[in-house]
Amino acid sequence: DTEVTQTPKHLVMGMTNKKSLKCEQHMGHRAMYWYKQKAKKPPELMFVYSYEKLSINESVPSRFSPECPNSSLLNLHLHALQPEDSALYLCASSPLVGQREPGETQYFGPGTRLLVL
Amino acid sequence: GEDVEQSLFLSVREGDSSVINCTYTDSSSTYLYWYKQEPGAGLQLLTYIFSNMDMKQDQRLTVLLNKKDKHLSLRIADTQTGDSAIYFCADGSSNTGKLIFGQGTTLQVKP
Repeated sequence: DTEVTQTPKHLVMGMTNKKSLKCEQHMGHRAMYWYKQKAKKPPELMFVYSYEKLSINESVPSRFSPECPNSSLLNLHLHALQPEDSALYLCASSPLVGQREPGETQYFGPGTRLLVL
Repeated sequence: GEDVEQSLFLSVREGDSSVINCTYTDSSSTYLYWYKQEPGAGLQLLTYIFSNMDMKQDQRLTVLLNKKDKHLSLRIADTQTGDSAIYFCADGSSNTGKLIFGQGTTLQVKP
């Protein structure tokens, strides 16, 4: 099973709202990632968690706040977003320690399509 | 810094072979990946190749790696309309866990 799930699939929010995106994996992976993707562009890395600790923050504005409650779950809390934050938000996970595949191999979820009005 | 480049668009007829090319700059690359993204979907891992390998075959997919020229290609045999998607090449050399993505190649398959 190489499934990463994300909820919700779609989200519309106003600039004063607070919302959260959720990501879950049950593959025993120890790294989880948030990416932002604009149409017809590659994903841009936002955050990386390794062993439930934040290891990379790609200078993301503080209106995006990640949280990793346990090794299977990753949240992205959103507050006071701007219209330019509208995008597809992708979650991914990787084993870190390779067994059947390289430890860095990332598996992506289907994404949450976010529209900020 | 590391860079990955791909051509932006490829159009083929159904049943033909497709070849998507990618170049990368990092000499320390260990693994290189191919992902497929259909409209409105996430990225699907297609295959990967270790930098010490020249070729890897997986059903209709063949990956060729020329490490000297830092050139990677993905060949899809007997291309079907369901193969229409954006294909991303990614360099997994960074030990920080980052993947360096190319801009993506849009593959259009005409019936």
